[in-house]
Amino acid sequence: AQSVAQPEDQVNVAEGNPLTVKCTYSVSGNPYLFWYVQYPNRGLQFLLKYITGDNLVKGSYGFEAEFNKSQTSFHLKKPSALVSDSALYFCAVTLTSGTYKYIFGTGTRLKVLA
Amino acid sequence: DAMVIQNPRYQVTQFGKPVTLSCSQTLNHNVMYWYQQKSSQAPKLLFHYYDKDFNNEADTPDNFQSRRPNTSFCFLDIRSPGLGDAAMYLCATSRDRGLGQPQHFGDGTRLSIL
Repeated sequence: AQSVAQPEDQVNVAEGNPLTVKCTYSVSGNPYLFWYVQYPNRGLQFLLKYITGDNLVKGSYGFEAEFNKSQTSFHLKKPSALVSDSALYFCAVTLTSGTYKYIFGTGTRLKVLA
Repeated sequence: DAMVIQNPRYQVTQFGKPVTLSCSQTLNHNVMYWYQQKSSQAPKLLFHYYDKDFNNEADTPDNFQSRRPNTSFCFLDIRSPGLGDAAMYLCATSRDRGLGQPQHFGDGTRLSIL
């Protein structure tokens, strides 16, 4: 079965420190990988995606993610966290062939402490 | 700015009383999706339209219906809401299905059932 894991329900980080939100996936086939952020009472906002090519992907608001095929991971990173980055983060996967539907992770709540 | 707009943002209805949620888009995207999201869980896909072609998910209850009268608008009808249908309902669009297309989400309608 296809699945996406976000092993941490919550990540706490001090403002100014680097942050990492983890995502691993298990799919049969080649994946397209996405990160979305959700602020309270808002919809999901697209941050970045990996399609092909360079394993390091840069996205909105200073976020980046690294695709690691051997570890089947796509961790979200930011060099210096802001309090305003506090939100719920979802990793999602689709396949390059077959189903186009998103397989979402369970979400990770990021808290950046001032 | 091109966007996805959901109305109303908050909807209260009575148990068993039909309710309609609306979504409009100015992105001219071919695909429109409806998701149900409960308590900061991952969004759950209910159905989607690819142009005029309706695609229901196998586990979407018959109580949920949808209409897409034109490219810009899509409606979610809940025929007889139960207490378990209280949730955030998210509309999303994408230019096409698959092919690594990101989805663009509205800010949702939070539905409460009395």
